[in-house]
Amino acid sequence: DAGVIQSPRHEVTEMGQEVTLRCKPISGHNSLFWYRQTMMRGLELLIYFNNNVPIDDSGMPEDRFSAKMPNASFSTLKIQPSEPRDSAVYFCASSLLSVGYGYTFGSGTRLTVV
Amino acid sequence: GQQLNQSPQSMFIQEGEDVSMNCTSSSIFNTWLWYKQDPGEGPVLLIALYKAGELTSNGRLTAQFGITRKDSFLNISASIPSDVGIYFCAGQLGQGAQKLVFGQGTRLTINP
Repeated sequence: DAGVIQSPRHEVTEMGQEVTLRCKPISGHNSLFWYRQTMMRGLELLIYFNNNVPIDDSGMPEDRFSAKMPNASFSTLKIQPSEPRDSAVYFCASSLLSVGYGYTFGSGTRLTVV
Repeated sequence: GQQLNQSPQSMFIQEGEDVSMNCTSSSIFNTWLWYKQDPGEGPVLLIALYKAGELTSNGRLTAQFGITRKDSFLNISASIPSDVGIYFCAGQLGQGAQKLVFGQGTRLTINP
């Protein structure tokens, strides 16, 4: 099993540019989560999907952030326009709805907005 | 909203020592989880606890789900260099894929 795959691993972009982060969940998992990690705020849930449907996006900071899951094997998190305060590590995680032992994280995308 | 208070924030110990960290919450959780994060990687699940009072071991790691369902602890016995990292507690309101609330983490440093 390849695990949760995120790309890119690192992204450096200029303020105002659009950034797209990508995630491929574990095959067969039907829940997907996007988290953001910073020193100040720790791990924050941004949004999660069950069966490709967004369930809770209350953690999405503002309208500049959007997430999609067009199918069971792919999700994107987009920031447009990006700002320096968006600099963080963004994690994707997936799990099985029917199983109650947490979820599997990807290796993350380290985003730096300059 | 739900908050988890994890302590200590950091620990500096000698190799071979035992480690203890804990997590408390203002809310009741039905599941407690402990994760470890290595540098440059995502958190990896160490132990999951599903019942109040449950005590579970995974090798040198032992974790307990508090009776009140508002706290949990993690112990590491006879620490080794590869135990270095950040340990997170997480609470889950329900079984299955509900969102996790994470503690702020305990950074463990081991002096050889």
